[in-house]
Amino acid sequence: GESVGLHLPTLSVQEGDNSIINCAYSNSASDYFIWYKQESGKGPQFIIDIRSNMDKRQGQRVTVLLNKTVKHLSLQIAATQPGDSAVYFCAENTGGFKTIFGAGTRLFVKA
Amino acid sequence: IAGITQAPTSQILAAGRRMTLRCTQDMRHNAMYWYRQDLGLGLRLIHYSNTAGTTGKGEVPDGYSVSRANTDDFPLTLASAVPSQTSVYFCASSKGADNSPLHFGNGTRLTVT
Repeated sequence: GESVGLHLPTLSVQEGDNSIINCAYSNSASDYFIWYKQESGKGPQFIIDIRSNMDKRQGQRVTVLLNKTVKHLSLQIAATQPGDSAVYFCAENTGGFKTIFGAGTRLFVKA
Repeated sequence: IAGITQAPTSQILAAGRRMTLRCTQDMRHNAMYWYRQDLGLGLRLIHYSNTAGTTGKGEVPDGYSVSRANTDDFPLTLASAVPSQTSVYFCASSKGADNSPLHFGNGTRLTVT
């Protein structure tokens, strides 16, 4: 069945280091992938997305990599800052109105 | 700032009572959604609407109903609340269905006793 999961439920990094958050998906028909950031007491916030015809996309301090061969998605955060501490969700969409979310990874940034 | 407004922020509700969670967006997005977020289960879609006047069922629709009378508003109603509906409820919107990220409100924390 459809599922989106995460390899690491928690990740702790030193301020200034790079962070990598991984995600596996199982539906090969998914053609749109999104990363969200959720801070305590707030709703998920869109970070970056990627379509299935791409394997890499860069934003401001963030990069998303898509490996369709192994159905793997990752979010890289450069020079991680305390404000990056949050729960990060990957999500996939196969078209239509049903986006499937992973369980989330909590990122701790140590000062 | 444009976005999604949800009300109330939190609510304690007795089992069996009726409750409507409100959601309003000012981005003129076509699609709107209701998700519930539970620890260990992530975000699960309850209902959605692709445009005013139409709605659809998500992954966990039982016990909930929605309406979409206009573009901006998408209320979620619990006709007779049960303790298993204790959760954090998020409303979201998107421009359309395909390749459109969701924009979320800050949620309503509902406790059913």
